[in-house]
Amino acid sequence: GAGVSQSPRYKVAKRGQDVALRCDPISGHVSLFWYQQALGQGPEFLTYFQNEAQLDKSGLPSDRFFAERPEGSVSTLKIQRTQQEDSAVYLCASSLRGQGLAYNEQFFGPGTRLTVL
Amino acid sequence: AQSVTQPDIHITVSEGASLELRCNYSYGATPYLFWYVQSPGQGLQLLLKYFSGDTLVQGIKGFEAEFKRSQSSFNLRKPSVHWSDAAEYFCAVGVSGGYNKLIFGAGTRLAVHP
Repeated sequence: GAGVSQSPRYKVAKRGQDVALRCDPISGHVSLFWYQQALGQGPEFLTYFQNEAQLDKSGLPSDRFFAERPEGSVSTLKIQRTQQEDSAVYLCASSLRGQGLAYNEQFFGPGTRLTVL
Repeated sequence: AQSVTQPDIHITVSEGASLELRCNYSYGATPYLFWYVQSPGQGLQLLLKYFSGDTLVQGIKGFEAEFKRSQSSFNLRKPSVHWSDAAEYFCAVGVSGGYNKLIFGAGTRLAVHP
């Protein structure tokens, strides 16, 4: 595809349900990022993958949040036992290269809007 | 710790008027600085970026930004705003080296009067 895609675009969950959000990065991109954007706020970093390796998960807010990228392409962000404070837009971004000194532009998907009732 | 402040939550301008959106950052080293625009239902689109060199950078859609180290600022400007510029604008700092994690400000929502 031409860009980063995310599915579903909208998700409504009842409190306590588990959800899974998918990200398809640009083909061949090594790096993949997840960000959380609460209403009226800027995106906040959640986690980073270089290929299949999760190198940074320092932004995950609790152990209910789990992300994977098993084959180094598609990634899934899973939230267990959702709570109302999890309501946000979840953005995925990919970039061509992995770690290094050179800047590595991130390309963002449209996001998944999660609403927890 | 790195941080980005956008002092203006909401700005309204008339079409054709000039625009300046403010951004201040806190970062120990030389920062990578960015401006992104987000339209409703759309992902973040990069407007421009600063790494080093010329402190006035040009971006897409007629936007420019000026890096002022002494003021820790990276303000976004446009000489004449179009109605289609109405959107939310985010300033961000990229952690240099590593994998370039982005730290965003809270955003400024721009409304344009016809």
